Amino acid sequence: GESVGLHLPTLSVQEGDNSIINCAYSNSASDYFIWYKQESGKGPQFIIDIRSNMDKRQGQRVTVLLNKTVKHLSLQIAATQPGDSAVYFCAETPRSSASKIIFGSGTRLSIRP
Amino acid sequence: NAGVTQTPKFQVLKTGQSMTLQCAQDMNHNSMYWYRQDPGMGLRLIYYSASEGTTDKGEVPNGYNVSRLNKREFSLRLESAAPSQTSVYFCASSDRSGTEGYEQYFGPGTRLTVT
Repeated sequence: GESVGLHLPTLSVQEGDNSIINCAYSNSASDYFIWYKQESGKGPQFIIDIRSNMDKRQGQRVTVLLNKTVKHLSLQIAATQPGDSAVYFCAETPRSSASKIIFGSGTRLSIRP
Repeated sequence: NAGVTQTPKFQVLKTGQSMTLQCAQDMNHNSMYWYRQDPGMGLRLIYYSASEGTTDKGEVPNGYNVSRLNKREFSLRLESAAPSQTSVYFCASSDRSGTEGYEQYFGPGTRLTVT
């Protein structure tokens, strides 16, 4: 069935180091993948997206990697800052319907000073 | 430009009471969505509206109704609240729909407790 999961529920990173948040998906029909950041008490905020015809996309301090062979998605955050502390969700959208976006349960990223 | 706004921010209901959650966006987006988020879980789609005048069920529509009042506003109604509906509710909007994929903008959420 369709599912989006995360390898680790929590991740603790030293300030200044790079963070890598992983996500597995099971639906090979998924066409579009999104990473969201959710700070405490707030709604999710779009970070970066990637389509299935790409394997890498870069933004400001963030990179998303897509490995369709093993159905794996990762979010890399460079030079992690205290403001990066949040829960990060991956989400997938099947090619058939953009309304069927499926969210993972989230990874909490905490930053050690 | 306020983005997506939701009212109220907090609400406590007794079982069986009804209420409407309001959502408005000022980005001229066609598509709007209602999600619920339970502790430690991802978002689950309740209803969505791909464009003004249309609404469709999502993953967990039971116990809810929606109204797309106009392009800006999309409300969610609980006719007879149940404790299982205790959750945080998020409204979102996007400017694309269909199979192209889309970036969603979320409101701050409504924390609902049903006792």
